Amino acid sequence: SQQGEEDPQALSIQEGENATMNCSYKTSINNLQWYRQNSGRGLVHLILIRSNEREKHSGRLRVTLDTSKKSSSLLITASRAADTASYFCATDAQTGANNLFFGTGTRLTVIP
Amino acid sequence: EAGVAQSPRYKIIEKRQSVAFWCNPISGHATLYWYQQILGQGPKLLIQFQNNGVVDDSQLPKDRFSAERLKGVDSTLKIQPAKLEDSAVYLCGTMGASYEQYFGPGTRLTVT
Repeated sequence: SQQGEEDPQALSIQEGENATMNCSYKTSINNLQWYRQNSGRGLVHLILIRSNEREKHSGRLRVTLDTSKKSSSLLITASRAADTASYFCATDAQTGANNLFFGTGTRLTVIP
Repeated sequence: EAGVAQSPRYKIIEKRQSVAFWCNPISGHATLYWYQQILGQGPKLLIQFQNNGVVDDSQLPKDRFSAERLKGVDSTLKIQPAKLEDSAVYLCGTMGASYEQYFGPGTRLTVT
């Protein structure tokens, strides 16, 4: 399966702390994306990192990609209660079809 | 711009009944996806359309699931007959210019 796996499955932190989530995948990719899903809602795109990039920033988000280890990490700095959600990594499969394969997700709870 | 619209938001049916979901994508987005998300898991791709043509339906259970995208805009996903294991959230997504995907709020299906 090309599906990624996130680690940890669940994470609980205090507001203001940083949250780090990891993603591992199995096949070569063109890009890796991170999405957020609030309970009962659809997914929201956070950030895309291409296979030739090693690090990318967007506001309080920092994503790293290590293609040699087939892994990525998402760091959320200065977390807020509103960051409470499930976070998924998604990879394409270099098939040219632009399909995404989602991981199992990390459930983040930020305690006010 | 308006987001991806889906309806209905919730549906409860008995097993062996049929059900249909509707998706209206973001205007101008040629690529449309249907995903199945079982509780506690990441979304799993069912079918991908490019305009009104099917690009990938390898993971669609074709004995009971069907989908169409007439005129390359709106799309419908149908299940007939439904099984208990079809209980899930069905997400419609479209692809933007930078390969990011935009998702609707999903349809939560409960099969009893």
